[in-house]
Amino acid sequence: DTEVTQTPKHLVMGMTNKKSLKCEQHMGHRAMYWYKQKAKKPPELMFVYSYEKLSINESVPSRFSPECPNSSLLNLHLHALQPEDSALYLCASSASGTGGYEQYFGPGTRLTVT
Amino acid sequence: GESVGLHLPTLSVQEGDNSIINCAYSNSASDYFIWYKQESGKGPQFIIDIRSNMDKRQGQRVTVLLNKTVKHLSLQIAATQPGDSAVYFCAEERYGNKLVFGAGTILRVKS
Repeated sequence: DTEVTQTPKHLVMGMTNKKSLKCEQHMGHRAMYWYKQKAKKPPELMFVYSYEKLSINESVPSRFSPECPNSSLLNLHLHALQPEDSALYLCASSASGTGGYEQYFGPGTRLTVT
Repeated sequence: GESVGLHLPTLSVQEGDNSIINCAYSNSASDYFIWYKQESGKGPQFIIDIRSNMDKRQGQRVTVLLNKTVKHLSLQIAATQPGDSAVYFCAEERYGNKLVFGAGTILRVKS
């Protein structure tokens, strides 16, 4: 199974809401990632978890809060978002926690902040 | 600043022709490079990768070339098909697991 799954596929939330994005992989990968992708732009790295520990935070605002409950799951908690946070949020995983292997991407969650 | 960039934002090719998508990178310390294909409404899909100790790698209908001297990466697609129409991104692994993506090239295949 070489699949990364993400839920929900679409999410509409108000600026005062709290919501969570979920990501799951069952490939035994030891690194998981969150990316943000705006329309007609490349994915931009937000967070990296290696061996279930946060290893990279690309200066992401605190209204985005990642969580890695176990090696297969990755969450992104959202609170008090702004309309400019509307984007496609992609989750990815890779075999190694130290790099050098391809990252497998999920289909993404299309987030709209109203 | 350092970046990974593409020379051509849009490439139109005739079905059956070969396609070449180019990418320039500026971090000479990068040692792992990946090409991804992204179709509308989907996540990026891995196509092929190459490490810095190689200059060429072939897959099924695809070839990646790496020229470290001029910091240039290219993706060649043989016998391009309509299903190849997508946005193609090169990506460079900096430190640890950090991938930096290029701006992307739109490939349009004309039937």
